[in-house]
Amino acid sequence: DTEVTQTPKHLVMGMTNKKSLKCEQHMGHRAMYWYKQKAKKPPELMFVYSYEKLSINESVPSRFSPECPNSSLLNLHLHALQPEDSALYLCASSPLGQDNTGELFFGEGSRLTVL
Amino acid sequence: DQQVKQNSPSLRVQEGRISILNCDYTNSMFDYFLWYKKYPAEGPTFLISISSIKDKNEDGRFTVFLNKSAKHLSLHIVPSQPGDSAVYFCAASSLGGATNKLIFGTGTLLAVQP
Repeated sequence: DTEVTQTPKHLVMGMTNKKSLKCEQHMGHRAMYWYKQKAKKPPELMFVYSYEKLSINESVPSRFSPECPNSSLLNLHLHALQPEDSALYLCASSPLGQDNTGELFFGEGSRLTVL
Repeated sequence: DQQVKQNSPSLRVQEGRISILNCDYTNSMFDYFLWYKKYPAEGPTFLISISSIKDKNEDGRFTVFLNKSAKHLSLHIVPSQPGDSAVYFCAASSLGGATNKLIFGTGTLLAVQP
């Protein structure tokens, strides 16, 4: 299995809603990432988990809350978002240690619209 | 401050000809460079990479060239095919860290015309 699976593919939410984005991989990768991509912009790193522990937080607002319940799953909990948070949210994974080729393996993304 | 730049937002090439996509970076700590291809409504897919110890890496129709002194890399696709039409992102990282913190360029939309 060489896939990173993200659900849902599309999500529409109001500013007072609480929702979650989910990401799953079964490649045995021990690093997982959340990127955010707005239209006509490059993907921007939000969070990195290494061995299920948060290792990088790129000064992301607290209305985004990541969670890594186990080595295969990565969640992004969303609460009190703003319309400008509408974007494509990309999950990625990579091996650590000797197996690390420097590459990230991306999912297809979750398209979020905040009304 | 954009550390990785792709100055051509779009490129149009005839089928069978060479496509050259360019990328510039500013951070001299970057030592690993990757190209990703992205179709609409899909995640980026890895294409080819190059370490800073090399100046060229080739994989089939795809070749990446790195000029460290100019902080410039390019992706050559030859011959170009209509299926190559996509957005191409250049990315850079420092391999010294345990995880792969990739910094992406702004992307170039390649259109290969039959």
